Amino acid sequence: SQELEQSPQSLIVQEGKNLTINCTSSKTLYGLYWYKQKYGEGLIFLMMLQKGGEEKSHEKITAKLDEKKQQSSLHITASQPSHAGIYLCGAPPTFWGNEKLTFGTGTRLTIIP
Amino acid sequence: DAGVTQSPTHLIKTRGQQVTLRCSPKSGHDTVSWYQQALGQGPQFIFQYYEEEERQRGNFPDRFSGHQFPNYSSELNVNALLLGDSALYLCASSLNREDQPQHFGDGTRLSIL
Repeated sequence: SQELEQSPQSLIVQEGKNLTINCTSSKTLYGLYWYKQKYGEGLIFLMMLQKGGEEKSHEKITAKLDEKKQQSSLHITASQPSHAGIYLCGAPPTFWGNEKLTFGTGTRLTIIP
Repeated sequence: DAGVTQSPTHLIKTRGQQVTLRCSPKSGHDTVSWYQQALGQGPQFIFQYYEEEERQRGNFPDRFSGHQFPNYSSELNVNALLLGDSALYLCASSLNREDQPQHFGDGTRLSIL
């Protein structure tokens, strides 16, 4: 079965600084989803990457998919308190992204003033 | 446009009891998936429903069952509750297309005493 490892597990960053979160798969990546979760709440969809080398940006968040390395990275530029939360990566078992997702254990991001 | 809604928000049960959780998908979505998220872990896939049938199932015992109604809403039933069933139960909905992400509700927090 597929496993996703996220690093780091937790991150404390000063407001205004940049940061990167990584997600590495034990198997071939057919796509990669990034979600954000506030403690005890639901998951907020951030971005979906479906092709190797694909890069997407939304506001100050950029995600890339490196299928050769079986890895995705999430980069936040000029972090803000609103970026605090748990970031989760999820991957489908095939190209059909609507299937069940396997998730990593998450990266807890804390932004300090 | 209402997103994915789940009820109830919180629930407390005792061992051996049975519970039913409910989910209304985002408007226009036809596929519903259920996930279990233990504290500090990523969500684990339970099963997915499409056209009122269970299409995929994760590694969960038969105590976990579900249903999808003609209006695409769904229920998750858990029988003979165990302490280990305490978790956040998340419902996700999507369109049955490969390029469509799953959107999550805020979850139901189930506590077993």
